[in-house]
Amino acid sequence: DTGVSQNPRHKITKRGQNVTFRCDPISEHNRLYWYRQTLGQGPEFLTYFQNEAQLEKSRLLSDRFSAERPKGSFSTLEIQRTEQGDSAMYLCASSLDLLSAYEQYFGPGTRLTVT
Amino acid sequence: RKEVEQDPGPFNVPEGATVAFNCTYSNSASQSFFWYRQDCRKEPKLLMSVYSSGNEDGRFTAQLNRASQYISLLIRDSKLSDSATYLCVVNQGGKLIFGQGTELSVKP
Repeated sequence: DTGVSQNPRHKITKRGQNVTFRCDPISEHNRLYWYRQTLGQGPEFLTYFQNEAQLEKSRLLSDRFSAERPKGSFSTLEIQRTEQGDSAMYLCASSLDLLSAYEQYFGPGTRLTVT
Repeated sequence: RKEVEQDPGPFNVPEGATVAFNCTYSNSASQSFFWYRQDCRKEPKLLMSVYSSGNEDGRFTAQLNRASQYISLLIRDSKLSDSATYLCVVNQGGKLIFGQGTELSVKP
């Protein structure tokens, strides 16, 4: 499968713990995006990278959230001191470049449950 | 006010029916427009792009009215397999802004 992959697929954690998710984009894609989706809502933009540079962060991304893409390939999203409100599906997407940025291909997501 | 607004539904229709989804967006600087489909507990997948001239892909027709900031999707001769959530999406500077989605359930 050469699509976007995400790990883990499911994560259950206790409030206050830190969690880290990984996204592997389609190999030739230089743009990588993170979105969050809660039940009954559409995905909400969190942040995106052009190669290793983080170009934009949503105000939804509090200081407990940090994302990296150190070598311009895979990305990690870390949530520190998780809260119950962080429970959601975290989706990663990738695309080729600005001109085709709309063709974003999504991974299967990581479903986070904070108890 | 949400940037992209859709009727959440659900729309319950019989097989063969024609169903129309509407969407409005608030940012006139939005650059491009799409409909994504999302099956239950799956990731969103691009259904089709939307152009001002209107575009059709088989049983699906999408329309954009930039003046009124309105997007539509028409599904003709609906199939059981069309049951899903349909997400109206606008592109703003590369990031996608999603509506909350409209749930469609096609019944035999």
